[in-house]
Amino acid sequence: EVQLVESGGGLVQPGGSLRLSCAASGFTFSSYWMSWVRQAPGKGLEWVANIKQDGSEKYYVDSVKGRFTISRDNAKNSLYLQMNSLRAEDTAVYYCARDTTRIAVADQYFQHWGQGTLVTVSS
Amino acid sequence: QSVLTQPPSVSAAPGQKVTISCSGSSSNIGNNYVSWYQQLPGTAPKLLIYDNNKRPSGIPDRFSGSKSGTSATLGITGLQTGDEADYYCGTWDSSRGGVFGGGTKLTVL
Repeated sequence: EVQLVESGGGLVQPGGSLRLSCAASGFTFSSYWMSWVRQAPGKGLEWVANIKQDGSEKYYVDSVKGRFTISRDNAKNSLYLQMNSLRAEDTAVYYCARDTTRIAVADQYFQHWGQGTLVTVSS
Repeated sequence: QSVLTQPPSVSAAPGQKVTISCSGSSSNIGNNYVSWYQQLPGTAPKLLIYDNNKRPSGIPDRFSGSKSGTSATLGITGLQTGDEADYYCGTWDSSRGGVFGGGTKLTVL
């Protein structure tokens, strides 16, 4: 059974940092693109970032470029999101999502999602 | 404002059919696959359709997807009260990366 378990969320002050983790199991982690998707309270889904199977390609939504860094450790079956210079508008539930095994980044879809971890940026 | 445009809400009676549209452009839907997700209140999204019109195992054939040009459509037949949820379309945009529609709230009257 595919499982994605996020951790690391919490309350942080504006300008602060957090590191989210996603522990994956039940599939060959190193074969899949992986993504982070967030959802602000009462709002829709927003794709945040993704990373290729071997970590050689990474893409980000404009609003987080230069502040967030996605990474992975295939030996530990884990995905990470380092979030720096956090802003109030980064407040959201952050989901770890399994992307595809395809090579092309554009052929994405998310078949499996974690339960999400809440990040609140407030003073 | 979302890159992909969906109606904020749709409604229909139990047993009826409903369609949800998703409009984009040549930089996203026009040149890439579309996927659809169902999100029940308080839960993570669930994949309904991928590659425009394919259903993952376990998704009933009441759910269907299609794409034409720069628009896509999700169809749901034989509506059930359990289908009440938010529905999102998603794809890749050559300039922006991953993009989703703003979401459509389905009410089964």
